[in-house]
Amino acid sequence: LAKTTQPISMDSYEGQEVNITCSHNNIATNDYITWYQQFPSQGPRFIIQGYKTKVTNEVASLFIPADRKSSTLSLPRVSLSDTAVYYCLVVPDTGRRALTFGSGTRLQVQP
Amino acid sequence: DVKVTQSSRYLVKRTGEKVFLECVQDMDHENMFWYRQDPGLGLRLIYFSYDVKMKEKGDIPEGYSVSREKKERFSLILESASTNQTSMYLCASSPTGAGGPGGSPDTQYFGPGTRLTVL
Repeated sequence: LAKTTQPISMDSYEGQEVNITCSHNNIATNDYITWYQQFPSQGPRFIIQGYKTKVTNEVASLFIPADRKSSTLSLPRVSLSDTAVYYCLVVPDTGRRALTFGSGTRLQVQP
Repeated sequence: DVKVTQSSRYLVKRTGEKVFLECVQDMDHENMFWYRQDPGLGLRLIYFSYDVKMKEKGDIPEGYSVSREKKERFSLILESASTNQTSMYLCASSPTGAGGPGGSPDTQYFGPGTRLTVL
């Protein structure tokens, strides 16, 4: 499975846009980029997934350049409740494969 | 909404005890997973199952076994608990998608976790 690298921590203020970049230089042709969010004392929760270009849902946007060696999770106008750990994963398109989580990015949103 | 439940949120056991952690999902998912999460180490896969009575070892299966007698239930067993098994245990489930190029990986749905302390 492709290894990912992302910042250990980030700080932001309420109302700001937060961009978390993840590098995955060894991504394979059939890999997707997936982001999960984890609050303290809870299991991770799926946020967004993409293969190329841009994906947007009600929670976030995911930007993937043409070479797919990196991706950026964008959280528009964060609030205190967005304080969490965000994991970037590279996942093959075979349904049964387990996920490999790194240490993630700890986002702290201040008032 | 998919629901994955785990039998206990907090558990305290003594060294040498046999420990059962239960996980139930209500969405008829084929795949179920057990992870443990430790500070600085992320989530590590212990075992997973892609069908009833089927199981495969993950990255750290030593000291653990699993049981899947029914599709909705996946149990993790610590045969003889040790202090280094103190951890947060997370269960997850996912459907099996079409797979292959052009399909997208299936989302994993996690339970709330069981924080196990072995004294």
